[in-house]
Amino acid sequence: GAVVSQHPSRVICKSGTSVKIECRSLDFQATTMFWYRQFPKKSLMLMATSNEGSKATYEQGVEKDKFLINHASLTLSTLTVTSAHPEDSSFYICSASDAQGVNTEAFFGQGTRLTVV
Amino acid sequence: AQSVTQPDIHITVSEGASLELRCNYSYGATPYLFWYVQSPGQGLQLLLKYFSGDTLVQGIKGFEAEFKRSQSSFNLRKPSVHWSDAAEYFCAVDLWGNKLIFGTGTLLAVQP
Repeated sequence: GAVVSQHPSRVICKSGTSVKIECRSLDFQATTMFWYRQFPKKSLMLMATSNEGSKATYEQGVEKDKFLINHASLTLSTLTVTSAHPEDSSFYICSASDAQGVNTEAFFGQGTRLTVV
Repeated sequence: AQSVTQPDIHITVSEGASLELRCNYSYGATPYLFWYVQSPGQGLQLLLKYFSGDTLVQGIKGFEAEFKRSQSSFNLRKPSVHWSDAAEYFCAVDLWGNKLIFGTGTLLAVQP
């Protein structure tokens, strides 16, 4: 299957700072990337959908000014958590899709564990 | 609204026993369905997927799942569980264009 690389895998930052998480499709062009958030012992909740070259579409309840998403190329999307607070601590995971035809699937990165202290 | 329900939050089985994890969905059209497994602190690994055709799908690690339209279900099964199968399992529905909604997950524990 296709490979999606997410970096960093783990990050600790201080309250008030910003942190950037990268999601790269290594061997295919990802026209669409998705960002999910997983609270401890909870399911994955879709945060936003990003399409290359356009603004991300955020799910209801997700603060677009806090979670900045950029999808500047067909292989890279970034999620920046701005002015991070302890409640932003979570596991963030991306998926990438080329969605060129029917019966496609998205490919997931390995996730990023964010801890805000 | 579309939703995915995994009724069992936590299941414990003995090694070598059979396993069935339940998944029910609510979706207007014929769904694309997935099962993923997640080990602690790790990302998601795709076990199997259903798009169309044969309603019994085979996946990796000896898992299979059966799509039953009449019951809106996509239950995951394995005839003989191994200790390494202990993990969290998520059922998911593709809303459109690989945008997934996930069930709440089932945590599987395996007793020796």
